[in-house]
Formats: sequence, C-alpha cells, structure tokens
Amino acid sequence: AQSVTQLGSHVSVSEGALVLLRCNYSSSVPPYLFWYVQYPNQGLQLLLKYTSAATLVKGINGFEAEFKKSETSFHLTKPSAHMSDAAEYFCAVSGRRSEKLVFGKGMKLTVNP
Amino acid sequence: GAGVSQTPSNKVTEKGKYVELRCDPISGHTALYWYRQSLGQGPEFLIYFQGTGAADDSGLPNDRFFAVRPEGSVSTLKIQRTERGDSAVYLCASSLNSAANTGELFFGEGSRLTVL
Repeated sequence: AQSVTQLGSHVSVSEGALVLLRCNYSSSVPPYLFWYVQYPNQGLQLLLKYTSAATLVKGINGFEAEFKKSETSFHLTKPSAHMSDAAEYFCAVSGRRSEKLVFGKGMKLTVNP
Repeated sequence: GAGVSQTPSNKVTEKGKYVELRCDPISGHTALYWYRQSLGQGPEFLIYFQGTGAADDSGLPNDRFFAVRPEGSVSTLKIQRTERGDSAVYLCASSLNSAANTGELFFGEGSRLTVL
C-alpha cells in the first residue's frame, strides 16, 4: 500500500523567497512520485515526476524535487517564488505498473507581494 | 476541445436522487480515470478504464456507484440513491495509453456535486 503525507494545509511566502513544500511517502514497493498543481479554476496539472531515473527531478515553471529514499521524502522547491505560483500543490505516489495514484491532502501556496 | 471536459460543472440534488456525471476525455486517450475530492482532502481514486472496460474499480465506495464507457471515449459516472456524504468534486482524468509508467494524467475541472 502507498500513502503520502503533506503536513499542514497552507504556506505563505513572499515574492522572491524560497518555496519549500514537504512530502513524505510510504510505499511497500519502489514508488513513483509526482507533484501536481491546481491553479484557481483549472484542473490538476502534472508539475514533475520521479520514476526511478535521476533522483533530482526538474519540472515546469522552475520547480524541482529530490527523491531521498533514506528520508522517504520528495520535497518540492523553487528558489524564487512568483505571484503566479499561487495555487494548491498535491504530492502523489503510485506503485510501479499501478494505475492508481494516491494523493496527499494538498498544500495551498500563497505568494505575498 | 483540447482538454478533458466534464459536465455538469455543478450539480445540486436531493438526498435519494439519481445523478449522472459525464466526462469527455482528450481525443485518442485510451485510459480514463475517475477520482473524488472531498473538502480539504486530496483526490481519491474511484475507477480506471482502459478502452471500454473497467480495469480497476476497487475505489468505488459501494454498489450505489457505477461507471460506464461504452464506446471507449465518453464516460458516465452514475450515483444511485445519493447521500449527503456523496457531496464532493468528482474529477475525471485521461491518459494517452496508461498512467502506470508515465504518471501523467490530464484532469478536467471537475463536477461539484452537492447533496442536500
């Protein structure tokens, strides 16, 4: 079975500041890990994914995440927040060859001017 | 259209009524998924179709929920004898072949169901 934990529900940063959104996973098999983003009034969109190639994964809009097996983590970072990054971010896990994504509860990111 | 389309965007119904939610996936996508998102929660898997057949319906909460995809394109999620606990946003997603390796699902904006 797989699960992910996103502690907290809301984070607020200043424009230009570092964005760090935490995700810890639990998986009985080698996992695939994902970050999805939901902008206001839009559907969920894939931001980046880890599928057992490089442990540092780069995604769209300057985001990246690092798979750390020893810490069972897949935290999402961006060096400098932009106003347009305000959205809700979901971490998700699946087992390899599984069609079922298991999502965390999500983290709402607010970017202050 | 270019994306996944879901109708209606909002549905308000009374307890005990029957509801249908429709999903029109991206053209050519053979895989289709339904997820449910309750308030304050992440999306929760309901069912996965590959073509016309339901390959995994393990997420359907009970036998009041049923989904079909008769021609391998449009899908309908059907909920019988709705209960207040069914209130949620129902999300549909599609994938070109299979999300198992790519993980890339293309989501619609969802159908918000409110059961009074």
